[in-house]
Amino acid sequence: EAGVTQSPTHLIKTRGQQATLRCSPISGHTSVYWYQQALGLGLQFLLWYDEGEERNRGNFPPRFSGRQFPNYSSELNVNALELEDSALYLCASSLVRDSYNEQFFGPGTRLTVL
Amino acid sequence: SQQGEEDPQALSIQEGENATMNCSYKTSINNLQWYRQNSGRGLVHLILIRSNEREKHSGRLRVTLDTSKKSSSLLITASRAADTASYFCATFPYKLSFGAGTTVTVRA
Repeated sequence: EAGVTQSPTHLIKTRGQQATLRCSPISGHTSVYWYQQALGLGLQFLLWYDEGEERNRGNFPPRFSGRQFPNYSSELNVNALELEDSALYLCASSLVRDSYNEQFFGPGTRLTVL
Repeated sequence: SQQGEEDPQALSIQEGENATMNCSYKTSINNLQWYRQNSGRGLVHLILIRSNEREKHSGRLRVTLDTSKKSSSLLITASRAADTASYFCATFPYKLSFGAGTTVTVRA
């Protein structure tokens, strides 16, 4: 069974540009979560999508947005990039909305903003 | 702010020794989960303990949960070099909320 996949592996952008990160969940998983892990910090919850709807978002500005497609894959968009957006962005998927089920994480996309 | 906070921030032990790390959280939880992250890569789920459980074992891992103190501990017995990683606790409900992690280095 294929795990959670993310693309690209690395992404280099300049300040002010837009970044698009993609995530494909494990087959059958309907929930997708996005996290930001900046250097030296813990994982910060960004967004949670389930069945195509945004269910919750973390304490991030509106320039962080995303969507979930009918096939449950997801996209994270970061507009007007700032230097502090440089981080590892992790996507996770789970089988059901109830987090009694574990989240399965992808390898991440490392975003560098110059 | 993060719900889970791990302690210590870093731990260095000799291969074969046990490693213990703690997690404190702030609000009521449904469950608490521990994850491992190697070399800044994706996280791997280790173990989940529900709020009505006090102790759980999985291989060389032992997790305890004290809901009255809002804390949990993860014990790794007979550590190996492959256990070198960062360990995070995550609490639910609502969304997984992670702390900054404990970085464990196992020396050969």
